[in-house]
Amino acid sequence: DQQVKQNSPSLSVQEGRISILNCDYTNSMFDYFLWYKKYPAEGPTFLISISSIKDKNEDGRFTVFLNKSAKHLSLHIVPSQPGDSAVYFCAASAGNNDMRFGAGTRLTVKP
Amino acid sequence: GAVVSQHPSWVICKSGTSVKIECRSLDFQATTMFWYRQFPKQSLMLMATSNEGSKATYEQGVEKDKFLINHASLTLSTLTVTSAHPEDSSFYICSASRGLPETQYFGPGTRLLVL
Repeated sequence: DQQVKQNSPSLSVQEGRISILNCDYTNSMFDYFLWYKKYPAEGPTFLISISSIKDKNEDGRFTVFLNKSAKHLSLHIVPSQPGDSAVYFCAASAGNNDMRFGAGTRLTVKP
Repeated sequence: GAVVSQHPSWVICKSGTSVKIECRSLDFQATTMFWYRQFPKQSLMLMATSNEGSKATYEQGVEKDKFLINHASLTLSTLTVTSAHPEDSSFYICSASRGLPETQYFGPGTRLLVL
């Protein structure tokens, strides 16, 4: 079964506005969560991560929020830029590097 | 639905031996499968793209004679690391696509340790 789900296959946002990408998981043993960004014909590149002992991690324009009780995490990008247009994958691991990925959300930032 | 499995999840082997990793799409037909290798800092390097019944397309810098990829059916792709050496030790992840251009379903990965 899919332990990590990204229910929105696509998202379109105006430049300068906030992009919010969502991810849900089912395995309560996950203790580390990551977001990857992927351009066409390339492998996913690491963007930001969060440990389960935190509920927020911020890095520049990117902030990841974790709601353990809801088994939900989100990635906020603000302000969004056209170069942020890519596919975003969330991933989760349970301490043994066995990473489970969501199916991805394509973000389009319109100028 | 859309589950991808990998086998084995862990493998330890001696230097010089060959290791085969299987990637299976369990409940859908995967027209395209991708093989990635995870490097430090957690980015995934795309190694090759394979379509069922045809030769894999390797990324620049990936030795196709060392990393043999076979995509024999719409549900199975294999990666064989031939004559493995310690520098091949890494985390290998496959993903499968069923035709939608940007939706990929990832396997859980295989940790390879070459002694």
